[in-house]
Amino acid sequence: KQEVTQIPAALSVPEGENLVLNCSFTDSAIYNLQWFRQDPGKGLTSLLLIQSSQREQTSGRLNASLDKSSGRSTLYIAASQPGDSATYLCAVQNFVFGPGTRLSVLP
Amino acid sequence: EAGVAQSPRYKIIEKRQSVAFWCNPISGHATLYWYQQTLGQGPKLLIQFQNNGVVDDSQLPKDRFSAERLKGVDSTLKIQPAKLEDSAVYLCASSFGGPNTEAFFGQGTRLTVV
Repeated sequence: KQEVTQIPAALSVPEGENLVLNCSFTDSAIYNLQWFRQDPGKGLTSLLLIQSSQREQTSGRLNASLDKSSGRSTLYIAASQPGDSATYLCAVQNFVFGPGTRLSVLP
Repeated sequence: EAGVAQSPRYKIIEKRQSVAFWCNPISGHATLYWYQQTLGQGPKLLIQFQNNGVVDDSQLPKDRFSAERLKGVDSTLKIQPAKLEDSAVYLCASSFGGPNTEAFFGQGTRLTVV
């Protein structure tokens, strides 16, 4: 049974810092992994989708990597801004989600 | 392009009552998902449709939950009778293809059972 974990559970950083969010999954036989952002009381916004044949994807200040063999993905956020404050979730194949990392970027 | 539409946004009911949620996916998206999200947790998949057929409903509590997707477009999720532990946000998502394609989410319906 696929299980997804995310570390850390919460993170508070000053504005401008580069940061890394981690996602781990137990079954490496995956089609893809997707990173989402969720603002309080809102639905999920897709950030990046990495197919199993890819190693990384980039969008603006966001970069996500995927290492299937080790069962890990990382989301790198460069030059963080207060507007980046939200919960970040990873999901394997739209089926299994991690619990999320709650990010606070302080001005 | 219009996003995934869900209604209602909020619903408060008493335990043992019934409730229904509605979802209209992005036009042309064949796959539709319903998730349940409780506080501090990631969404849990309840059911996945491919067009109007069920692909996966292994985590749907079938004694009280039911879902349908008529004509392969809109979908409804029903709970009857509701229990206190059903209080959660119910999210609908859609994707163009199967689980290897990007999923887009609606705003969700927050259900409170009292």
